[in-house]
Amino acid sequence: AIRMTQSPSSLSASTGDRITITCRASQDISSYLAWYQQKPGKAPNLLIYAASTLQAGVPSRFNGSGSGTDFTLTINCLQSEDFATYYCQQYYSYPTFGQGTKVEIK
Amino acid sequence: QVQLVESGGGVVQPGRSLRLSCAASGFTFSTYAMHWVRQAPGKGLEWVAVISYDGSNKFYADSVKDRFTISRDNSGHTVYLQMNSLRPEDSAVYYCTRASFPVTDEMSWFDPWGQGTLVTVSS
Repeated sequence: AIRMTQSPSSLSASTGDRITITCRASQDISSYLAWYQQKPGKAPNLLIYAASTLQAGVPSRFNGSGSGTDFTLTINCLQSEDFATYYCQQYYSYPTFGQGTKVEIK
Repeated sequence: QVQLVESGGGVVQPGRSLRLSCAASGFTFSTYAMHWVRQAPGKGLEWVAVISYDGSNKFYADSVKDRFTISRDNSGHTVYLQMNSLRPEDSAVYYCTRASFPVTDEMSWFDPWGQGTLVTVSS
């Protein structure tokens, strides 16, 4: 199975900050990567697919980049509603997820 | 709108069985592969199983292979997960989710997701 490693596991930030989360695949997955946001007690919500394509309705402050094995999710001008846990997922083969990055209020 | 609603969760003893259901609406169910993904309490997401749009292909995570069976009823717009020989480590919220494109067995991102149903395996 393809292993997905996210970093950091958690981070503290303030509203208005720019944050970056990284996701590394154990092998080349081209651009077969998605990002999700999950809030407590809720299902994950798709943010980005194909590494950099924003899902309809997702604010433009979310940005995804990367290909091959290294990917990043950047959130510009963090808003209060962005404090959540973020997961990457590869779909190059049977799906696997990163372990998650919890974004907390500083 | 596209909607997925899971049901069937509950508390079950180790070694027993449980069947989860996921009722779909708002899209042409028979043309999309369907997946189950689970999340143990306080943990990350784990893909469990997929069934192709016509039910001809099924694949499972190693952790559930030979114990869980995914199936679907296209006329009833429902996907199922039959879970046998349950273990405490199977305790999780189980989410039903849909593949991104119709009429393909290619893996994809997941959207939308159901609200999840909680399974607790405990004596």
